[in-house]
Amino acid sequence: GEDVEQSLFLSVREGDSSVINCTYTDSSSTYLYWYKQEPGAGLQLLTYIFSNMDMKQDQRLTVLLNKKDKHLSLRIADTQTGDSAIYFCAESIDNQGGKLIFGQGTELSVKP
Amino acid sequence: KAGVTQTPRYLIKTRGQQVTLSCSPISGHRSVSWYQQTPGQGLQFLFEYFSETQRNKGNFPGRFSGRQFSNSRSEMNVSTLELGDSALYLCASSSTTGLGHNEQFFGPGTRLTVL
Repeated sequence: GEDVEQSLFLSVREGDSSVINCTYTDSSSTYLYWYKQEPGAGLQLLTYIFSNMDMKQDQRLTVLLNKKDKHLSLRIADTQTGDSAIYFCAESIDNQGGKLIFGQGTELSVKP
Repeated sequence: KAGVTQTPRYLIKTRGQQVTLSCSPISGHRSVSWYQQTPGQGLQFLFEYFSETQRNKGNFPGRFSGRQFSNSRSEMNVSTLELGDSALYLCASSSTTGLGHNEQFFGPGTRLTVL
C-alpha cells in the first residue's frame, strides 16, 4: 500500500544540524521529494532523489536514501531560524502520473 | 515566470452549497494536480489533469470534481458542501509530460471554510 510516515516535531538550536526522517512503504516509488511549507504558504520543493541513488547533496541539504529499509532522511546543516517550517516528504509512484503521496509533515522549530 | 496562482485565496460557504476553485498553472505546464490539506488527514491527492484529461484520481467522493481547459487552467468543484470539507486546497503544476520525475510547483492555496 501507499503510506509515508514522519515524526511530527523536531526542535534544534541555531547552528546545529537538523535531521528529519521519513519512511515509506511502496517499493515501486521512483522519486522521493522534500517540500517545505511556511505558515500561510503553499509548498516549496527543496530537493528530490531518484530511488536508485543513495545520497544527494545540495548546498546545506543532504538527502540519504536507504532503499532496503525504505527510509529517507533530510539533513539541514547549520540550521537557521529561517528554516523553521513544516517539512514534508513525498513519494511519486511509477505508474501514477502526477500523484504524490505525502507524509504528515515534521514541524521544525529552530531556537536562537 | 509567474508562479501558480489560485483564486480565490479565502472562501466561506455554508453546508449544502457548492464551490468552484480556480488554478492557473505556470506558463507552459500542462499537468495540474489538486490536493486537500487538513490538520487531521494531512495532504491528500484529489486528482490530476493533463491536456484536459483526468489522468489520476484520489479516494474522494464524487462531490469533488474537476476539469482542465485548453489553456491548462483548471477548476475544481465541490458540491453539497460538508463541514469536513473545510481545508486548504492546493494546486500544483508540472511540466512533466509522462511518468517519472514529477517536479510539482505549488500555488498558495485556497482556504475554504464551511459553516
